[in-house]
Amino acid sequence: GAGVSQSPSNKVTEKGKDVELRCDPISGHTALYWYRQSLGQGLEFLIYFQGNSAPDKSGLPSDRFSAERTGGSVSTLTIQRTQQEDSAVYLCASSFGIPMNTEAFFGQGTRLTVV
Amino acid sequence: SQQGEEDPQALSIQEGENATMNCSYKTSINNLQWYRQNSGRGLVHLILIRSNEREKHSGRLRVTLDTSKKSSSLLITASRAADTASYFCATRPIYNQGGKLIFGQGTELSVKP
Repeated sequence: GAGVSQSPSNKVTEKGKDVELRCDPISGHTALYWYRQSLGQGLEFLIYFQGNSAPDKSGLPSDRFSAERTGGSVSTLTIQRTQQEDSAVYLCASSFGIPMNTEAFFGQGTRLTVV
Repeated sequence: SQQGEEDPQALSIQEGENATMNCSYKTSINNLQWYRQNSGRGLVHLILIRSNEREKHSGRLRVTLDTSKKSSSLLITASRAADTASYFCATRPIYNQGGKLIFGQGTELSVKP
């Protein structure tokens, strides 16, 4: 597609429920990142994919968080048993090739609200 | 802890003035990038400067990098109201060959018409 697409754009869920957030990267981009941004804060790294593997998942805050990527394209971030502190904007980005000197292209994010 | 720290946290200027934002980081880097964010949603890449570069220009943007001081600055000249946004620096640390991009907390720029 023309850009990184994330869905849904907004999600309100009850505490304790599971949620799935989807990211469609730019076609051909092998690197994919998930970040989390709380209100008025910077971006917190969650996980990085190169193809379908995740060489760096050091930012996942707890075992309630998991992510997968299939076919080197679409990625899903799953949050189990959501808590109120999970409320944030979840941003996905992709970049071409081994991203040592390349820019990242961001989606518009999913705003997750846990009530 | 975050690799990059921006300074100031907030900046308010009049249209036509220049805006300067600073970023400091902690570890050796491959490159440093600046991004802009409107309304707390997607980020837009502005400029990338490699560790062996000292200055880079793009339109009204000028970025400098001082690897000895582990700092960078972003200058926006002749600012416009449309430049109002949050600006983030992001670094690719050398130790992380996988390509993780680490962001600072951002500078919130307000340009008054």
